[in-house]
Amino acid sequence: SQTIHQWPATLVQPVGSPLSLECTVEGTSNPNLYWYRQAAGRGLQLLFYSVGIGQISSEVPQNLSASRPQDRQFILSSKKLLLSDSGFYLCAWTSGFGELFFGEGSRLTVL
Amino acid sequence: RKEVEQDPGPFNVPEGATVAFNCTYSNSASQSFFWYRQDCRKEPKLLMSVYSSGNEDGRFTAQLNRASQYISLLIRDSKLSDSATYLCVVRGNAGNNRKLIWGLGTSLAVNP
Repeated sequence: SQTIHQWPATLVQPVGSPLSLECTVEGTSNPNLYWYRQAAGRGLQLLFYSVGIGQISSEVPQNLSASRPQDRQFILSSKKLLLSDSGFYLCAWTSGFGELFFGEGSRLTVL
Repeated sequence: RKEVEQDPGPFNVPEGATVAFNCTYSNSASQSFFWYRQDCRKEPKLLMSVYSSGNEDGRFTAQLNRASQYISLLIRDSKLSDSATYLCVVRGNAGNNRKLIWGLGTSLAVNP
């Protein structure tokens, strides 16, 4: 069966520090992968999606970036965090039927 | 008008009650509809897809009304474990409209 994991689960970072969140999927090959952010009082916002290695599409301009160095690995990064980057970050993959399966989430607080 | 709108609630109901949520969407060309459930501080999980003819899964029934552009979720015989936020999700049909649009969710609290 397919599983998806992301880490770290929780982190507190100062403004201006870098960020790296990692997500891996097991049990499937060539999945479509997504990074979402859920901020307080806002719906899930799609940040990036990837249909294959090295293929990244950005939905929202911001100081975040994503990379897909391996088929089942998706990384979200920032060189310098802003206060507004605080939120709940969710990695997801999709089955062929359009359903999304999410990782456990990474809760980021920028101080 | 927001693309997907939900009553945020909270809906407070006693165990055993029947509760219904509606979700309206603005894009008449939307093709796929889903209900997700999200527990506090957890990731969303698919509850059910919503089919044109309506569908039922145990105590849960989902309906689609294309003419009025809304979907509904009915929960019968509510359990304490149904307490969660229910997210409505809509997908367009082509091009950039194929991405998922998420509602802010409806909060449900089932009380003993």
